Formats: sequence, structure tokens, C-alpha cells
Amino acid sequence: NAGVTQTPKFRILKIGQSMTLQCAQDMNHNYMYWYRQDPGMGLKLIYYSVGAGITDKGEVPNGYNVSRSTTEDFPLRLELAAPSQTSVYFCASSYSSPYEQYFGPGTRLTVT
Amino acid sequence: DAKTTQPPSMDCAEGRAANLPCNHSTISGNEYVYWYRQIHSQGPQYIIHGLKNNETNEMASLIITEDRKSSTLILPHATLRDTAVYYCIVRSSGRGYGGSQGNLIFGKGTKLSVKP
Repeated sequence: NAGVTQTPKFRILKIGQSMTLQCAQDMNHNYMYWYRQDPGMGLKLIYYSVGAGITDKGEVPNGYNVSRSTTEDFPLRLELAAPSQTSVYFCASSYSSPYEQYFGPGTRLTVT
Repeated sequence: DAKTTQPPSMDCAEGRAANLPCNHSTISGNEYVYWYRQIHSQGPQYIIHGLKNNETNEMASLIITEDRKSSTLILPHATLRDTAVYYCIVRSSGRGYGGSQGNLIFGKGTKLSVKP
């Protein structure tokens, strides 16, 4: 199993640009999550999904959108990028318990 | 959810056991203790969890006191690759899901430095 994969690893965006961060898992997990981690800080939940077609907001959803058309994929869309969205983005998934989460390697995003 | 308290940093000699403490004096009966770690620049990694019995897996052992107010994560033979920030998280683990239930609150954790 590849586990949780994320692309791209790094990206630099200009203010106002948009992009999609890709996340995929091959463990047949129902739950998937998107977090952001600012330097020296803990993780904050952006959006989560409990299954295909079902998504919900987390702690910091503003400026982001998600979709979950398949069990495997959970892309995160940034619209109109702002410098405040400079962060490391982690995707995670879990099967039965919301708290045994398996994380991807992260995407480092800089908005200038 | 119960709050956890961990020392900000610890050192451990390579090959020795690393014992990482966590206080969770307000833990309630249905709350589990979870441990994650984050190696620099990587995504967090699940290590182990437990309710009241001691648990062991291929990575670590978790010792929970009888009153459940504290726990210790044990890495039996620490290596340089175990250098990371270790997070103790206390949350209920029900089947239901909603709102912030999926939010893992990592706090500041303990920075473990394994030295040769």
C-alpha cells in the first residue's frame, strides 16, 4: 500500500491564483481530513469527509473547498490565494476510529 | 475533552529506553489516550492508543496508571530516527461523527532528542 499520497510536494502561488491540492489513499478508509500547519504551531482541521459525497467544515474552512466523489480521493481547492494561506497542508485518512489517522507527507505552499 | 500536559523537551541516549510522560488528570471514563509523533518536516504518525490497559505494538508501549490520570509512552530502544515531537492526545472514540470530533488537537508535545 502506498498509504496517503499528496501532490504536489511544493508550490509557490501568486496572490489571487487558485490551485488544487491532491490527496489519495489506497487503504479503503472512509474518513479523510485536511489540516494546515503553520510554522511552530499545531495542526488545524480545514475540512473532513466521512465518506464519498459527504464533506463538512472543520476549524478553519474559509478560503478552501473540498469534494469527495470517490472513497480514494479528497482534493482541496484554494480559491484566490492569500499570503495567510502560506502553510504546510496535510491530508489524512482513517478507517474505523476518527483518531487513528494516517497522514500524507504534506504539501508546502507559499503565497507571495 | 481532557487537557494534557507534557514536558516541552527530553533527551535520551541512543539504544536506551525513552519514557515520555503525559498528565491527563481530567480524563473521563470514555476517553482514550492517543500518541502521535511528528518527525521534522513530515506528517504526524500514529503510534499507539489505549483506554485503561497497558498496550504494546511494534513501535512502543503505553502504560496508563490505574486512576488513568497519567500515562507514559515507552520507546524501548530509542534510535536517532526517533527524534521527533511526541503528542499525547485524549479524546473519546465513538462511532458517531460530527462537528469537531475529527479534530486532533496536538498541543505543543514533547520534543525528544535522541543523542548518540
